[in-house]
Amino acid sequence: EVQLQESGPGLVKPSQSLSLTCSVTGYSITSNYWGWIRKFPGTKMEWMGYISYSGRISYNPSLKSRISITRDTSKNHFFLQLNSVTTEDTATYYCARYGNSWGYWGQGVMVTVSS
Amino acid sequence: DIVLTQSPATLSVTPGESVSLSCRASQGVNTSIHWYQQKSNESPRLLIKFASQSISGIPSRFSGSGSGTDFTLSINRVESEDFSVYYCQQSYSLPHTFGAGTKLELK
Repeated sequence: EVQLQESGPGLVKPSQSLSLTCSVTGYSITSNYWGWIRKFPGTKMEWMGYISYSGRISYNPSLKSRISITRDTSKNHFFLQLNSVTTEDTATYYCARYGNSWGYWGQGVMVTVSS
Repeated sequence: DIVLTQSPATLSVTPGESVSLSCRASQGVNTSIHWYQQKSNESPRLLIKFASQSISGIPSRFSGSGSGTDFTLSINRVESEDFSVYYCQQSYSLPHTFGAGTKLELK
Protein backbone atom coordinates (compact mmCIF):
# COMPACT_ATOMS: atom_id res chain seq x y z
CA GLU A 1 0.00 0.00 0.00
CA VAL A 2 1.23 3.47 -0.85
CA GLN A 3 2.03 5.59 2.18
CA LEU A 4 3.32 9.15 2.31
CA GLN A 5 4.70 10.91 5.36
CA GLU A 6 5.62 14.58 5.61
CA SER A 7 8.30 15.82 7.97
CA GLY A 8 9.83 19.16 8.74
CA PRO A 9 9.73 22.06 11.18
CA GLY A 10 6.38 23.29 12.36
CA LEU A 11 7.58 26.84 12.91
CA VAL A 12 9.47 29.04 10.46
CA LYS A 13 10.42 32.69 10.86
CA PRO A 14 9.35 35.27 8.29
CA SER A 15 11.80 35.74 5.39
CA GLN A 16 13.35 32.31 6.01
CA SER A 17 12.90 29.12 4.00
CA LEU A 18 10.41 26.34 4.65
CA SER A 19 11.77 22.88 3.92
CA LEU A 20 9.71 19.70 4.02
CA THR A 21 10.39 16.08 3.16
CA CYS A 22 7.90 13.53 1.91
CA SER A 23 8.90 9.94 2.56
CA VAL A 24 7.14 7.43 0.33
CA THR A 25 6.79 3.72 1.03
CA GLY A 26 5.06 1.00 -0.94
CA TYR A 27 5.55 2.65 -4.33
CA SER A 28 8.42 4.06 -6.33
CA ILE A 29 8.53 7.79 -6.97
CA THR A 30 9.94 6.96 -10.40
CA SER A 31 6.35 6.20 -11.36
CA ASN A 32 3.44 8.67 -11.45
CA TYR A 33 3.61 12.28 -10.24
CA TRP A 34 4.33 13.50 -6.74
CA GLY A 35 3.32 16.87 -5.44
CA TRP A 36 2.61 19.34 -2.71
CA ILE A 37 -0.75 20.81 -1.82
CA ARG A 38 -1.43 23.17 1.06
CA LYS A 39 -4.54 24.05 2.99
CA PHE A 40 -4.74 27.50 4.52
CA PRO A 41 -6.57 28.19 7.79
CA GLY A 42 -10.23 27.85 6.83
CA THR A 43 -10.91 25.77 3.76
CA LYS A 44 -8.85 27.21 0.89
CA MET A 45 -6.59 24.65 -0.79
CA GLU A 46 -3.75 25.39 -3.21
CA TRP A 47 -1.82 23.10 -5.53
CA MET A 48 1.83 24.09 -5.23
CA GLY A 49 3.51 21.88 -7.80
CA TYR A 50 4.63 18.40 -8.68
CA ILE A 51 7.53 16.36 -9.95
CA SER A 52 7.00 13.62 -12.49
CA TYR A 53 8.33 10.10 -12.66
CA SER A 54 11.04 11.39 -15.02
CA GLY A 55 11.95 14.39 -12.88
CA ARG A 56 10.01 17.00 -14.87
CA ILE A 57 8.66 19.70 -12.59
CA SER A 58 5.65 22.02 -12.76
CA TYR A 59 4.97 24.81 -10.31
CA ASN A 60 2.00 27.00 -9.55
CA PRO A 61 2.83 30.38 -11.12
CA SER A 62 1.41 32.07 -8.01
CA LEU A 63 4.50 30.93 -6.13
CA LYS A 64 6.74 32.45 -8.78
CA SER A 65 10.41 31.83 -8.07
CA ARG A 66 9.99 31.01 -4.37
CA ILE A 67 9.34 27.30 -4.77
CA SER A 68 11.56 24.32 -5.47
CA ILE A 69 10.58 20.64 -5.62
CA THR A 70 13.32 18.04 -5.80
CA ARG A 71 13.67 14.34 -5.18
CA ASP A 72 16.06 11.63 -4.03
CA THR A 73 15.11 8.46 -5.85
CA SER A 74 17.62 6.38 -3.86
CA LYS A 75 15.66 7.14 -0.68
CA ASN A 76 12.27 7.37 -2.37
CA HIS A 77 11.80 10.85 -0.95
CA PHE A 78 10.82 14.15 -2.48
CA PHE A 79 11.17 17.62 -1.07
CA LEU A 80 9.60 21.05 -0.92
CA GLN A 81 11.47 24.28 -0.37
CA LEU A 82 9.61 27.57 -0.19
CA ASN A 83 11.74 30.66 0.16
CA SER A 84 11.08 34.08 1.65
CA VAL A 85 8.05 32.93 3.61
CA THR A 86 5.55 35.31 5.14
CA THR A 87 2.70 34.81 7.58
CA GLU A 88 0.50 34.13 4.54
CA ASP A 89 2.36 30.86 4.05
CA THR A 90 0.98 29.51 7.33
CA ALA A 91 -0.88 26.36 6.30
CA THR A 92 -1.07 22.60 6.54
CA TYR A 93 1.20 21.12 3.88
CA TYR A 94 0.37 17.81 2.27
CA CYS A 95 2.40 15.65 -0.04
CA ALA A 96 0.39 13.49 -2.38
CA ARG A 97 0.56 11.18 -5.37
CA TYR A 98 -1.04 12.19 -8.65
CA GLY A 99 -2.09 9.44 -11.01
CA ASN A 100 -4.77 11.35 -13.00
CA SER A 101 -6.23 12.41 -9.64
CA TRP A 102 -4.79 13.00 -6.16
CA GLY A 103 -5.41 9.52 -4.85
CA TYR A 104 -2.93 9.20 -2.01
CA TRP A 105 -2.11 11.82 0.60
CA GLY A 106 0.19 12.15 3.58
CA GLN A 107 -1.27 13.07 6.94
CA GLY A 108 -0.12 16.67 6.55
CA VAL A 109 2.18 18.89 8.56
CA MET A 110 1.07 22.19 9.99
CA VAL A 111 3.59 24.97 9.40
CA THR A 112 3.29 28.31 11.15
CA VAL A 113 5.23 31.32 9.96
CA SER A 114 5.85 33.57 12.91
CA SER A 115 8.65 35.48 14.55
CA ASP B 1 -6.37 29.82 -13.86
CA ILE B 2 -9.65 27.87 -13.86
CA VAL B 3 -11.88 28.97 -11.00
CA LEU B 4 -14.15 26.39 -9.40
CA THR B 5 -17.20 27.72 -7.59
CA GLN B 6 -18.85 25.36 -5.13
CA SER B 7 -22.34 25.80 -3.78
CA PRO B 8 -23.74 25.96 -1.28
CA ALA B 9 -20.95 26.88 1.11
CA THR B 10 -22.75 25.05 3.90
CA LEU B 11 -25.49 22.46 3.70
CA SER B 12 -27.42 21.48 6.82
CA VAL B 13 -29.09 18.09 6.60
CA THR B 14 -30.45 15.29 8.74
CA PRO B 15 -29.18 11.71 8.38
CA GLY B 16 -31.15 9.83 5.77
CA GLU B 17 -31.61 12.82 3.48
CA SER B 18 -30.16 12.76 -0.02
CA VAL B 19 -28.14 15.78 -1.13
CA SER B 20 -26.48 17.31 -4.18
CA LEU B 21 -23.38 19.49 -4.08
CA SER B 22 -22.52 21.72 -7.00
CA CYS B 23 -19.22 22.66 -8.62
CA ARG B 24 -19.09 25.11 -11.53
CA ALA B 25 -15.96 25.74 -13.57
CA SER B 26 -15.09 29.13 -15.07
CA GLN B 27 -14.38 27.41 -18.39
CA GLY B 28 -14.99 23.98 -19.85
CA VAL B 29 -12.95 21.19 -18.29
CA ASN B 30 -14.47 18.22 -20.12
CA THR B 31 -14.83 15.68 -17.30
CA SER B 32 -11.55 16.47 -15.52
CA ILE B 33 -13.20 17.10 -12.16
CA HIS B 34 -12.47 15.08 -9.02
CA TRP B 35 -14.23 15.13 -5.66
CA TYR B 36 -12.62 14.82 -2.23
CA GLN B 37 -13.92 14.50 1.30
CA GLN B 38 -12.00 15.96 4.21
CA LYS B 39 -12.94 15.24 7.78
CA SER B 40 -11.54 17.30 10.65
CA ASN B 41 -7.88 16.56 11.34
CA GLU B 42 -7.67 14.10 8.45
CA SER B 43 -6.21 14.21 4.96
CA PRO B 44 -8.47 14.62 1.95
CA ARG B 45 -9.86 11.39 0.54
CA LEU B 46 -10.62 10.88 -3.13
CA LEU B 47 -14.31 10.03 -3.62
CA ILE B 48 -14.95 10.36 -7.36
CA LYS B 49 -12.57 10.87 -10.28
CA PHE B 50 -13.26 12.25 -13.74
CA ALA B 51 -16.69 13.53 -12.78
CA SER B 52 -18.42 10.17 -12.40
CA GLN B 53 -15.89 7.36 -12.01
CA SER B 54 -16.16 5.45 -8.76
CA ILE B 55 -13.22 4.76 -6.48
CA SER B 56 -12.53 1.41 -4.86
CA GLY B 57 -13.52 1.38 -1.21
CA ILE B 58 -15.82 4.39 -1.42
CA PRO B 59 -19.44 3.68 -0.43
CA SER B 60 -21.86 3.43 -3.34
CA ARG B 61 -24.03 6.22 -1.92
CA PHE B 62 -21.51 8.68 -3.37
CA SER B 63 -21.91 9.43 -7.07
CA GLY B 64 -20.89 12.15 -9.47
CA SER B 65 -22.16 13.61 -12.70
CA GLY B 66 -21.55 16.44 -15.14
CA SER B 67 -19.28 17.57 -17.93
CA GLY B 68 -18.12 20.86 -19.36
CA THR B 69 -18.65 23.46 -16.64
CA ASP B 70 -21.31 22.03 -14.30
CA PHE B 71 -20.74 19.12 -11.95
CA THR B 72 -22.61 17.49 -9.11
CA LEU B 73 -21.64 15.24 -6.24
CA SER B 74 -24.64 13.34 -4.91
CA ILE B 75 -24.90 11.55 -1.61
CA ASN B 76 -27.79 9.15 -1.37
CA ARG B 77 -29.11 8.94 2.20
CA VAL B 78 -26.49 10.81 4.18
CA GLU B 79 -24.96 8.93 7.09
CA SER B 80 -23.45 10.43 10.24
CA GLU B 81 -19.90 9.73 9.04
CA ASP B 82 -20.50 11.90 5.95
CA PHE B 83 -20.54 15.21 7.84
CA SER B 84 -17.37 16.87 6.62
CA VAL B 85 -16.10 19.22 3.91
CA TYR B 86 -16.25 18.33 0.22
CA TYR B 87 -13.98 19.77 -2.45
CA CYS B 88 -13.96 19.61 -6.20
CA GLN B 89 -10.65 19.89 -8.09
CA GLN B 90 -9.82 20.22 -11.77
CA SER B 91 -6.94 18.57 -13.60
CA TYR B 92 -7.87 19.88 -17.04
CA SER B 93 -5.08 22.44 -17.03
CA LEU B 94 -2.23 23.65 -14.88
CA PRO B 95 -2.28 24.97 -12.27
CA HIS B 96 -4.60 22.44 -10.71
CA THR B 97 -7.23 24.30 -8.75
CA PHE B 98 -9.68 23.47 -5.99
CA GLY B 99 -13.08 24.81 -5.11
CA ALA B 100 -13.59 26.53 -1.76
CA GLY B 101 -15.46 23.55 -0.37
CA THR B 102 -18.97 22.70 0.78
CA LYS B 103 -19.40 21.91 4.45
CA LEU B 104 -22.01 19.25 5.10
CA GLU B 105 -23.28 19.69 8.63
CA LEU B 106 -25.84 18.15 10.90
CA LYS B 107 -29.12 20.03 11.01
